[in-house]
Amino acid sequence: GENVEQHPSTLSVQEGDSAVIKCTYSDSASNYFPWYKQELGKRPQLIIDIRSNVGEKKDQRIAVTLNKTAKHFSLHITETQPEDSAVYFCAASISFGNEKLTFGTGTRLTIIP
Amino acid sequence: NAGVMQNPRHLVRRRGQEARLRCSPMKGHSHVYWYRQLPEEGLKFMVYLQKENIIDESGMPKERFSAEFPKEGPSILRIQQVVRGDSAAYFCASASYEQYFGPGTRLTVT
Repeated sequence: GENVEQHPSTLSVQEGDSAVIKCTYSDSASNYFPWYKQELGKRPQLIIDIRSNVGEKKDQRIAVTLNKTAKHFSLHITETQPEDSAVYFCAASISFGNEKLTFGTGTRLTIIP
Repeated sequence: NAGVMQNPRHLVRRRGQEARLRCSPMKGHSHVYWYRQLPEEGLKFMVYLQKENIIDESGMPKERFSAEFPKEGPSILRIQQVVRGDSAAYFCASASYEQYFGPGTRLTVT
């Protein structure tokens, strides 16, 4: 089955700097890659996703890049703010909307004011 | 995503009791997924259901755990004879395409 690895497990960045979180996946059939943000005690919230027919997607300060050949994808957050502090999870699925998600182990992002 | 409802939000059970967790998907969504999150860990897939059908239960423990999504009413995850290791947050997600998560049920087994 699919295996998703995520790095780093913790990340601290100065407010205003950029943060990058990287994930690799094992199943070449995976074609849908969402990112979720989870604040302490809250539900995971979908923040951005990408499908395998594109290499990059951007939404304001967040962007995701996908390299299908290398089987890795990354989350980029620019101009970080204190409210970006949370745990971020990447995930992979072989089908958009009709298949389970396999999650990475999470990255705890701390923004230092 | 605020439309996915789960109850109870917190559930305390003694070892050996049964736990029933309920999930009502967003309006118009016919797919429900259950995930388990142990403290300080990621989310692990348990089961995927559509109305009256279990589509994928590859993540469900072989014993004590069952799930259903009846024609009417919420999806239910049932854990029989709970043990301390069942203590976790249980999230359901509903989807038409993207998966949106409910607020979770935090199960504590004493």
